[in-house]
Amino acid sequence: DTGVSQDPRHKITKRGQNVTFRCDPISEHNRLYWYRQTLGQGPEFLTYFQNEAQLEKSRLLSDRFSAERPKGSFSTLEIQRTEQGDSAMYLCASSSLHSGFEQFFGPGTRLTVL
Amino acid sequence: ELKVEQNPLFLSMQEGKNYTIYCNYSTTSDRLYWYRQDPGKSLESLFVLLSNGAVKQEGRLMASLDTKARLSTLHITAAVHDLSATYFCAPSVSGGSNYKLTFGKGTLLTVNP
Repeated sequence: DTGVSQDPRHKITKRGQNVTFRCDPISEHNRLYWYRQTLGQGPEFLTYFQNEAQLEKSRLLSDRFSAERPKGSFSTLEIQRTEQGDSAMYLCASSSLHSGFEQFFGPGTRLTVL
Repeated sequence: ELKVEQNPLFLSMQEGKNYTIYCNYSTTSDRLYWYRQDPGKSLESLFVLLSNGAVKQEGRLMASLDTKARLSTLHITAAVHDLSATYFCAPSVSGGSNYKLTFGKGTLLTVNP
């Protein structure tokens, strides 16, 4: 098991552009989470999937953000019309009943919006 | 809404000394996690505490949970430089099947020779 992977690891974009990040969870983990972490802060919850269903979204997730998890495997997080305030580390985590719901985090995607 | 307060936020220690990081949270939680984060890296799980009175130890770190006081502690014994990192506590409140984590701001630990 290779753990949670995320791609890309770093993304630099200009304000107004769209970006998409990918997360591949640990195999057979049916729960997938996205968090956002800004400098000097703890991660903040963005959204949660159980299998392919998106069951909860944070108020932090504006209309410019959309997340999907087709077929209950990998997930994508898209940010449209990026703003400088979107600059952050985007972390993905996965868990399952068999992991005792312990969340295992990926390496993150660091987004810089110029 | 669950709120988490960690203190201290910054901790500078000498090698060989002991210290405790405190984590207070505002509402009943199902479980509490401690994570470690090195600069520019992701989160590494240290401990999962599932019940009142739970105590777990790994090397020089020991975590405990008092659900009645809504307090968890992370005790560092005889600190070494390799423990320098940011430590986060994160209680979890289940909303249906969603065990989302609410993180504190973290404690930046620096261990000096």
